[in-house]
Amino acid sequence: AQSVAQPEDQVNVAEGNPLTVKCTYSVSGNPYLFWYVQYPNRGLQFLLKYITGDNLVKGSYGFEAEFNKSQTSFHLKKPSALVSDSALYFCAVRDPGGQAGTALIFGKGTTLSVSS
Amino acid sequence: GAGVSQSPSNKVTEKGKDVELRCDPISGHTALYWYRQSLGQGLEFLIYFQGNSAPDKSGLPSDRFSAERTGGSVSTLTIQRTQQEDSAVYLCASSLAPGPGELFFGEGSRLTVL
Repeated sequence: AQSVAQPEDQVNVAEGNPLTVKCTYSVSGNPYLFWYVQYPNRGLQFLLKYITGDNLVKGSYGFEAEFNKSQTSFHLKKPSALVSDSALYFCAVRDPGGQAGTALIFGKGTTLSVSS
Repeated sequence: GAGVSQSPSNKVTEKGKDVELRCDPISGHTALYWYRQSLGQGLEFLIYFQGNSAPDKSGLPSDRFSAERTGGSVSTLTIQRTQQEDSAVYLCASSLAPGPGELFFGEGSRLTVL
């Protein structure tokens, strides 16, 4: 069965510093990987995804993520954090090789807090 | 509408009552998901509909929970004999394709069971 882990409940970073939000996954085959963000009192928004190809994926708001197959990781990164990046971030995985119509499974989320 | 629409946005009910939550996906999206978001629990997968295929119900927490999708469009999540632990935000999402397509989420239905 597929699963995804976000080992940190909270990440704190100062504005202007680089940020990393960690994600590891477990699937039987090659995964589809996603990052979503949830701002306070708002729905989830898609940030970026890895399907195939280049391991470094660029997404919205200057975020990027690197797919590392050997470490089964898909960490979210940004070179310079903004206070407005403060939000709840979710990593998600789907196993395309599983039974037809496998669902997208989310991690528990990581709260990112960027201080000014 | 342009996005995923959920109703009601807020629902307060008494323990033991039944509730129905509605989701109107983006037109043309064949995949529809229900998730539950509780404080500290992340997004818990409940059920997944893909076209005319049998739904993946593997995430439903008990037989008090059920969902249907009529005509491949609108979906209703029903919780029977609600319990206090059912209190959460219920999120619906749809996607154009079941594989690599990203999900588009509604704003959610906040359920409070007294």
